[in-house]
Amino acid sequence: QKEVEQNSGPLSVPEGAIASLNCTYSDRGSQSFFWYRQYSGKSPELIMSIYSNGDKEDGRFTAQLNKASQYVSLLIRDSQPSDSATYLCAVGTGFQKLVFGTGTRLLVSP
Amino acid sequence: DVKVTQSSRYLVKRTGEKVFLECVQDMDHENMFWYRQDPGLGLRLIYFSYDVKMKEKGDIPEGYSVSREKKERFSLILESASTNQTSMYLCASSSGREMYEQYFGPGTRLTVT
Repeated sequence: QKEVEQNSGPLSVPEGAIASLNCTYSDRGSQSFFWYRQYSGKSPELIMSIYSNGDKEDGRFTAQLNKASQYVSLLIRDSQPSDSATYLCAVGTGFQKLVFGTGTRLLVSP
Repeated sequence: DVKVTQSSRYLVKRTGEKVFLECVQDMDHENMFWYRQDPGLGLRLIYFSYDVKMKEKGDIPEGYSVSREKKERFSLILESASTNQTSMYLCASSSGREMYEQYFGPGTRLTVT
């Protein structure tokens, strides 16, 4: 069974700090990796995708991928209370399918 | 922007009823997916479809069926609803050209009593 593991949290950070969210995956053949943000009672929203080793930056978000270590992370700089949500890591596996982690809950306090 | 819509936000059904959940996407995506999301279990794939009239079982297909008669529409059917099918149901779509990026609808919270 292909797995994606995340710490469930909550991860608590003060406003303005950097939040670091981590994810490990089991399928060495995976080539595509995603971060989704999910507010309570809402559906997941795609915020980052990464396909190559290294960093990818988009505004306050940076995704980091290390395929050798089977590790994906999401950094959120200058965290805001509006970033408080559950962040889901997803890994592409098989034909167009994604396997999701159970998510990390982030709490940003003012 | 990709738009995925689902027929209902909230639905309450009785045990044994046949339930239809509808999903429509407007981006001409080839692939469509049905998930359920439960606390502590995360998102689990029920069925997916990569073309009209094509369907594939996901991880938890038991008690469900699907229909895809048109490219933009993917229906999830609960043949005889049971209380353990109370859940949040999420539809998603993706283009085969976009390296697996999936876009979700707003979800349907189904309660079976």
